[in-house]
Amino acid sequence: KQEVTQIPAALSVPEGENLVLNCSFTDSAIYNLQWFRQDPGKGLTSLLLIQSSQREQTSGRLNASLDKSSGRSTLYIAASQPGDSATYLCADCDHNTPLVFGKGTRLSVIA
Amino acid sequence: DTAVSQTPKYLVTQMGNDKSIKCEQNLGHDTMYWYKQDSKKFLKIMFSYNNKELIINETVPNRFSPKSPDKAHLNLHINSLELGDSAVYFCASSPPGRYGYTFGSGTRLTVV
Repeated sequence: KQEVTQIPAALSVPEGENLVLNCSFTDSAIYNLQWFRQDPGKGLTSLLLIQSSQREQTSGRLNASLDKSSGRSTLYIAASQPGDSATYLCADCDHNTPLVFGKGTRLSVIA
Repeated sequence: DTAVSQTPKYLVTQMGNDKSIKCEQNLGHDTMYWYKQDSKKFLKIMFSYNNKELIINETVPNRFSPKSPDKAHLNLHINSLELGDSAVYFCASSPPGRYGYTFGSGTRLTVV
């Protein structure tokens, strides 16, 4: 059964820094990897989706990569802004099981 | 247009009551889900429905009963509410092949 670990659990950085969030999976047969952000008291917003045949996806200042051999994904945020403060969640699913989430990384970007 | 909409957004109720949460998606997806986010913010799957058929029931008490009248709707009915049911419940949907999930904004249930 897939388990997802996210490191670090919390991160605080000054505005403008580049940062990396990490996600690892116990089952490296990753099917569809999705990164979300969740703002306090709000729902989940999808950021990036990496399908099984892909290795990375980019959207604006965000870049997510996937290394299936090691069962790891990273989310790179360039030039961080206070508006990036949120909890970031990674999740994986396959044909037969729904998304399995990590516990998230709580990011604070300090102005 | 909201892709996945849940109602109500907030629900405060007393122990022992029965309540329902409604979910509708206008994305044409064939699979819908209910997730529970506990006080530690961990998201866990409860149910999965594909074209109105129950696919997954993850060790959820039978006081929780999902109902899918059509593939665009998945409602969650909870009987005899307990304090431990307090959480945020998220509805989600995905297209065939599960290429990307879309989540609703959540229903915060508080049982007093």
